[in-house]
Amino acid sequence: GAVVSQHPSWVICKSGTSVKIECRSLDFQATTMFWYRQFPKQSLMLMATSNEGSKATYEQGVEKDKFLINHASLTLSTLTVTSAHPEDSSFYICSARDPGVYTFGSGTRLTVV
Amino acid sequence: EDKVVQSPLSLVVHEGDTVTLNCSYEVTNFRSLLWYKQEKKAPTFLFMLTSSGIEKKSGRLSSILDKKELFSILNITATQTGDSAVYLCAVHTNAGKSTFGDGTTLTVKP
Repeated sequence: GAVVSQHPSWVICKSGTSVKIECRSLDFQATTMFWYRQFPKQSLMLMATSNEGSKATYEQGVEKDKFLINHASLTLSTLTVTSAHPEDSSFYICSARDPGVYTFGSGTRLTVV
Repeated sequence: EDKVVQSPLSLVVHEGDTVTLNCSYEVTNFRSLLWYKQEKKAPTFLFMLTSSGIEKKSGRLSSILDKKELFSILNITATQTGDSAVYLCAVHTNAGKSTFGDGTTLTVKP
């Protein structure tokens, strides 16, 4: 089945620094990838839809300049959390669609100290 | 605004019990409804439903969709402690958007 690889699994960074999270589709091409954020004991919140070769579509309330998304190839999308602050600490998950089925990456636990 | 509501929010049962999880939705341009199981990390796919009345089955788990009444149920029979998890329902639209419910936390006690 389809596999989506996400790195890193967890990261701790200092306040004010930037963190890049990668999401790769390993055995299929994904023209569209999705980035979610999940707070403890809450469901997934869609942050943005990443489209290969074009700008990402952000959900209402998500800061484009803070959460930079790049989808430069059919197998790679990246999410960069810029100037991270403690309130950005969360679980970030990407997913890609392999016709019909949405496959998730393993998630990235970000802690900003 | 698209909406997905899951019930109950939380459920505690004993091993061997049967549980039914509910997911109702209101979305524009429905495409499919998916069930996921989330343990400690990212969700894992269980079922995708697109047509009404056709039961999908995998071992002790089964699911069915009612597109007229806009809901789906996920059944788990003879529950085991390993079934303890958060079960997420997501609805995908033809516009490529996905909306998740808040999930049902299932705890199966030995």
